Amino acid sequence: GENVEQHPSTLSVQEGDSAVIKCTYSDSASNYFPWYKQELGKRPQLIIDIRSNVGEKKDQRIAVTLNKTAKHFSLHITETQPEDSAVYFCAASKTGNQFYFGTGTSLTVIP
Amino acid sequence: DAGVIQSPRHEVTEMGQEVTLRCKPISGHDYLFWYRQTMMRGLELLIYFNNNVPIDDSGMPEDRFSAKMPNASFSTLKIQPSEPRDSAVYFCASSVTTGTQYFGPGTRLLVL
Repeated sequence: GENVEQHPSTLSVQEGDSAVIKCTYSDSASNYFPWYKQELGKRPQLIIDIRSNVGEKKDQRIAVTLNKTAKHFSLHITETQPEDSAVYFCAASKTGNQFYFGTGTSLTVIP
Repeated sequence: DAGVIQSPRHEVTEMGQEVTLRCKPISGHDYLFWYRQTMMRGLELLIYFNNNVPIDDSGMPEDRFSAKMPNASFSTLKIQPSEPRDSAVYFCASSVTTGTQYFGPGTRLLVL
């Protein structure tokens, strides 16, 4: 099956700085890559996703880039705010429904 | 829309007891997923259904776990007998075909 690795496991940034989280995947057939945000004690919620026919996607302060050749994708958060503090999960899928999740990155934004 | 509904939200039970977790997916969604989340193993897909039919149960840890989806609006995940290592947060999620998976609030299970 698919193997998704996520780094770093923890990340602390000053408010206003950028945060970058990276994921690699093993199955070259994977073509859908969502990112989920999970606040403490809450459910995971989709924040952005990208399909393999696109190299980059942006939504306000959040962007995701995909390098199919290298089989890695990254989440970029600019101008971080305290409310961005959460655990972020990447995932990969080749069917669009069976997701393989990374192990999560705990992001702390220091005011 | 109320979103995905799970019950109970918290469950404390003793080792050996049967535990049943319940999920109501979003109306119109044809995929339903059961996940388990622990600190050690992260988010693991246990089983998923398409149009009420189990498609892949390879993530179910062992025979003590079983899941059913008798109709499009209800699914159960049962653990019998429960063990302390089953303690985790269990999430149900639903989606429309190959779309965003919407997670329920989760059931926090503690097996003593």
